[in-house]
Amino acid sequence: GIQVEQSPPDLILQEGANSTLRCNFSDSVNNLQWFHQNPWGQLINLFYIPSGTKQNGRLSATTVATERYSLLYISSSQTTDSGVYFCAPREYSTLTFGKGTMLLVSP
Amino acid sequence: SQTIHQWPATLVQPVGSPLSLECTVEGTSNPNLYWYRQAAGRGLQLLFYSVGIGQISSEVPQNLSASRPQDRQFILSSKKLLLSDSGFYLCAWSPTGGEAFFGQGTRLTVV
Repeated sequence: GIQVEQSPPDLILQEGANSTLRCNFSDSVNNLQWFHQNPWGQLINLFYIPSGTKQNGRLSATTVATERYSLLYISSSQTTDSGVYFCAPREYSTLTFGKGTMLLVSP
Repeated sequence: SQTIHQWPATLVQPVGSPLSLECTVEGTSNPNLYWYRQAAGRGLQLLFYSVGIGQISSEVPQNLSASRPQDRQFILSSKKLLLSDSGFYLCAWSPTGGEAFFGQGTRLTVV
């Protein structure tokens, strides 16, 4: 099956800083999603992005499917951005998750 | 709009007891349905998925089973729980090939 690597595994930022999270995947995919897992465990959909760039407020994502990677940008980070960020490429019927990036934003 | 319901939110069960977790989806027809488990260490592991009633694919051989008795209902079961079955169980749905959405999860502790 597809292999997914996310980096960095952990990230500590001060409020207001910018960051880039990376997701590499080993094979061609049909699409890719980014999620934010909040402290209660709920997975919040951030982006559904098989290719190209999308923006939603302070967050944006870029997927370069031909080079098998996706990037999540967080600008002007806030404490509420803390949590674990997952990318999940879809191969055929299922999503495969990376191990995530744990982000801590301190005031 | 579509919604996904998963219950219970938390569960503490003794070793050897049975398990039944239920997930239902509203507002869509013929969804793809999934069960994932998240153990300590953050990664989500796919357990089962279903593309239609009675059609179940198992990704990991283990002490669990899944059933889809109705179009929008997905059930995760075990006859006898093991300590290693503890974890955070998440149900999800998607249209075929489309964006997936997750339920709020069930935190299972086997004691």
